[in-house]
Amino acid sequence: DSGVTQTPKHLITATGQRVTLRCSPRSGDLSVYWYQQSLDQGLQFLIHYYNGEERAKGNILERFSAQQFPDLHSELNLSSLELGDSALYFCASSRGGEGTDTQYFGPGTRLTVL
Amino acid sequence: AQSVTQPDIHITVSEGASLELRCNYSYGATPYLFWYVQSPGQGLQLLLKYFSGDTLVQGIKGFEAEFKRSQSSFNLRKPSVHWSDAAEYFCEVRSQGNLIFGKGTKLSVKP
Repeated sequence: DSGVTQTPKHLITATGQRVTLRCSPRSGDLSVYWYQQSLDQGLQFLIHYYNGEERAKGNILERFSAQQFPDLHSELNLSSLELGDSALYFCASSRGGEGTDTQYFGPGTRLTVL
Repeated sequence: AQSVTQPDIHITVSEGASLELRCNYSYGATPYLFWYVQSPGQGLQLLLKYFSGDTLVQGIKGFEAEFKRSQSSFNLRKPSVHWSDAAEYFCEVRSQGNLIFGKGTKLSVKP
């Protein structure tokens, strides 16, 4: 158990809908990272927040957005969902915001878009 | 463009045999390098990382990796594989806010 929690574990929805994925970092960690894992694209970095501020952006679509709240939990919002958005979404947390920090991964949220 | 390549999609080794998983990267400067393991239905777990200094790094579960600048490689090794090592392994490269993962190598272990 990494100490990172993600809810829900599974999510099934329809095309065009909007969903919110939630991540609670390990106690004391200030950074949250979001990733998308799919069979065709592999593991893709989406976005990094550090202490409430966006620190880095990866391959995040404009239909996706994220935020980190004052209690340091984070939410990833996915809108206008398409079939291709079906994937496993992971969050990870780290103590600081540097590239050398160890990331601890949550168990993931499996999103299925029908 | 920056890239990370894990050339082997799937490797099968016998229990007790040695293992080497390959990772090559294309970056302008020496990046930070990581290896992770992912068991089915679980998140990634860090095995080891390299930033600078000694090019041979030791990790958890008996794994080690060697950074070779001339070959832009960071290969993961284990002298004797256990059945519990069956999983998928990912190489990650970080540089200047970019985090890029390889496509992964799935390891199967024969009894």
